[in-house]
Amino acid sequence: KNQVEQSPQSLIILEGKNCTLQCNYTVSPFSNLRWYKQDTGRGPVSLTIMTFSENTKSNGRYTATLDADTKQSSLHITASQLSDSASYICVVSSGGSYIPTFGRGTSLIVHP
Amino acid sequence: NAGVTQTPKFQVLKTGQSMTLQCAQDMNHNSMYWYRQDPGMGLRLIYYSASEGTTDKGEVPNGYNVSRLNKREFSLRLESAAPSQTSVYFCASSSLAGADTQYFGPGTRLTVL
Repeated sequence: KNQVEQSPQSLIILEGKNCTLQCNYTVSPFSNLRWYKQDTGRGPVSLTIMTFSENTKSNGRYTATLDADTKQSSLHITASQLSDSASYICVVSSGGSYIPTFGRGTSLIVHP
Repeated sequence: NAGVTQTPKFQVLKTGQSMTLQCAQDMNHNSMYWYRQDPGMGLRLIYYSASEGTTDKGEVPNGYNVSRLNKREFSLRLESAAPSQTSVYFCASSSLAGADTQYFGPGTRLTVL
């Protein structure tokens, strides 16, 4: 069964600090991996997409990494801001399915 | 260009009542999805439509029906609402089913008493 596990479940950091969120998956065959950001009360929005051949991809202060061999991804947030407070969801698509597999998300709170 | 729109934003129902959640997208996407999101559970797929004219069950379809009215619109119907259906419902669309980025609507917060 395809699964996506995210850790930690929740995280509290101070403004200006860096943090890293983890995503482990067992989806096969692998097609791509996305990180979504979901602000409170809103729908998720895609941050990055990574395919099998990509190791690192950046989107401003967000940097995603992918290790396809160990089936792990991370999302690193640099110099956090209050607006980074949100849930971050890892989603893995399989080449053999119409339905991507969602992780349960990591809830990030950035305190001033 | 509104993206994905959902109506209503909020709804309170009594057990046994029925209602339809509406979703429309203006991005000419082929695929549309309905999810529910509960605390600690993440997003769970209820039904999806890979293309106009087709619908399929997702992970949690019981108690729901869907209609892909046309390429733009995908509705979700609760025939006899139950308290267990209290949740936030999100509609999403993507150019193609599966590997493409999904674009989500703002959600409908439903409470069943």
